[in-house]
Amino acid sequence: AQSVTQLGSHVSVSEGALVLLRCNYSSSVPPYLFWYVQYPNQGLQLLLKYTSAATLVKGINGFEAEFKKSETSFHLTKPSAHMSDAAEYFCAVSEAGATNKLIFGTGTLLAVQP
Amino acid sequence: NAGVMQNPRHLVRRRGQEARLRCSPMKGHSHVYWYRQLPEEGLKFMVYLQKENIIDESGMPKERFSAEFPKEGPSILRIQQVVRGDSAAYFCASSPLTALNSPLHFGNGTRLTVT
Repeated sequence: AQSVTQLGSHVSVSEGALVLLRCNYSSSVPPYLFWYVQYPNQGLQLLLKYTSAATLVKGINGFEAEFKKSETSFHLTKPSAHMSDAAEYFCAVSEAGATNKLIFGTGTLLAVQP
Repeated sequence: NAGVMQNPRHLVRRRGQEARLRCSPMKGHSHVYWYRQLPEEGLKFMVYLQKENIIDESGMPKERFSAEFPKEGPSILRIQQVVRGDSAAYFCASSPLTALNSPLHFGNGTRLTVT
């Protein structure tokens, strides 16, 4: 069975500081991994995805994530936080099989302090 | 180019009533997924449908919950005899294909409150 663990349900950074949101996965097959962002009272928006091509994946809004098989990790980073980055971030893994059914982590709420 | 449309955005029901949640996928998308988000939790898969077919309902509660995606019209998630524990945000997502690298597009959700 596949699963995702997000360490830290709340992360607070200062504006301009590095953002690091952690995600570890468990999968018996090569995974497809995703990061989604959710702004208040909205749906989820895809930030980036890993589909077994390049291990360093660049997404929207300056975010990127690196797939590290040896560490079973897919941490999300951004060099410099902006106030507009304040949101909840979800890591997800595709369940093996014919569908792209996603298994989500419990989310990390990012706060950006001025 | 409208995205995934869900309505209503907010729904209040008393215990025992029925809740109907609607989802119109993006144009050209024939695959619909329903997820539920409980407070302080991530999204949990409920059901995956294609037109007129339920493909995977492994995440659906055994009783009171049903889903359909008719040939014409939106997908409907129906909850009969709602209880307080059904209070959650329900999200619909759609995709054009089943391929793993075809990302899901999410709607803004329906927030159900059971009083």
